[in-house]
Amino acid sequence: QVQLVESGGGVVQPGRSLRLSCAASGFTLSNHAMHWVRQAPGKGLEWVAVMSYEGNDQYYVDSVKGRFTVSTDNSKNTLYLQMNSLRAEDTAVYYCVRELVEVAGGTHYWYFDLWGRGTLVTVSS
Amino acid sequence: SSELTQDPAVSVALGQTVTITCQGDSLGTFYASWYQQKPGQAPLLVIYGKNNRPSGIPDRFSGSTSGNTASLTITGAQADDEADYYCNSRDSSANHRVFGAGTKVTVL
Repeated sequence: QVQLVESGGGVVQPGRSLRLSCAASGFTLSNHAMHWVRQAPGKGLEWVAVMSYEGNDQYYVDSVKGRFTVSTDNSKNTLYLQMNSLRAEDTAVYYCVRELVEVAGGTHYWYFDLWGRGTLVTVSS
Repeated sequence: SSELTQDPAVSVALGQTVTITCQGDSLGTFYASWYQQKPGQAPLLVIYGKNNRPSGIPDRFSGSTSGNTASLTITGAQADDEADYYCNSRDSSANHRVFGAGTKVTVL
């Protein structure tokens, strides 16, 4: 069964660290660009980070750059998000998301086709 | 980084047609994708590319792009279509992704 399952969320104090995991099944993680997307309570979706296809590059939204690190363990087919120096504004449901690319008529289409159910991170003292 | 602008909310009578728009500079280069999110659920892809629907998405959902504006149209809206809808695209740097703030669709 093709799915993504996030884990590792919880309540953490400001300034502390947390590592989220995203276990993939039914497909090989390294064959796709994999993203983290978050949603603060009652708010919209915010793109957080991407691990590019085959893990060569990582990019981050400005608000987490230098604090968050995305990585993979190909032997476990698992994506991670290491979150350091957490702030109250990092409180959100964090989704692990697979990106697909299609090429038609010389045009590339990128889209998020598979989402996990999310894991809640609460940063509070 | 780029931004995508969506109207906060729109309402539609049952069985009528509604169009949601998403405006941003990056849409002149990259196609948008659209996601439906119901309370307590993960987002669901409904439209991507020029006008492509994933398997299982009803054909009452369609998409289009004109200049820097992408549109999602629901033709013959059903009660089950009541949800938040988000557009997404690569930003102008092409490395990041960006979401619109979302449009809440209410079916009356």
